[in-house]
Amino acid sequence: DGGITQSPKYLFRKEGQNVTLSCEQNLNHDAMYWYRQDPGQGLRLIYYSQIVNDFQKGDIAEGYSVSREKKESFPLTVTSAQKNPTAFYLCASIPPGHRNTEAFFGQGTRLTVV
Amino acid sequence: KQEVTQIPAALSVPEGENLVLNCSFTDSAIYNLQWFRQDPGKGLTSLLLIQSSQREQTSGRLNASLDKSSGRSTLYIAASQPGDSATYLCAVRVGANNLFFGTGTRLTVIP
Repeated sequence: DGGITQSPKYLFRKEGQNVTLSCEQNLNHDAMYWYRQDPGQGLRLIYYSQIVNDFQKGDIAEGYSVSREKKESFPLTVTSAQKNPTAFYLCASIPPGHRNTEAFFGQGTRLTVV
Repeated sequence: KQEVTQIPAALSVPEGENLVLNCSFTDSAIYNLQWFRQDPGKGLTSLLLIQSSQREQTSGRLNASLDKSSGRSTLYIAASQPGDSATYLCAVRVGANNLFFGTGTRLTVIP
């Protein structure tokens, strides 16, 4: 089945450690997105990529980094510079022709600082 | 900047009742509006997409309307069931680069 796969489902990070969240899609979508979700807040955009080897900062990019070496993959690294990383992270993709196409989401990764 | 508001933040209804969830947005220059469902600890499942030129979309017991000029959308759920209990999010697309989300309405349907 086509879809977006995020892994791991749960991730624990120690202080000062970098961790990488995986997002893979087999939908042949060009655009991919990373969002952060905190309790009581709407989803906030971290990074997005419209095409391979290109990506742009979203509203809350500080302390995060991404790469887009393959169309199918858009991993997110949470660096030690991100002071409050505990949150639920969601990856999304959108098919070509953005105007009237729906966004698809993965099942999320819950990151906790220990 | 686009702001999206959902009211109420939480809603409890008895099973079988019809209900309406509200979504408002500040900038009417949108490509489309999408309603999502989110179960606890899960990702978002798309329910309905309304294009900016459309007034409503229907899927089963769900009907979503869009009034772009007033910056409002509603999600109507008919004959609610306990399985409808979840958080419902609306999001508007502005350009190709972003979806702006509301904070959601947490729905509980009481058996």
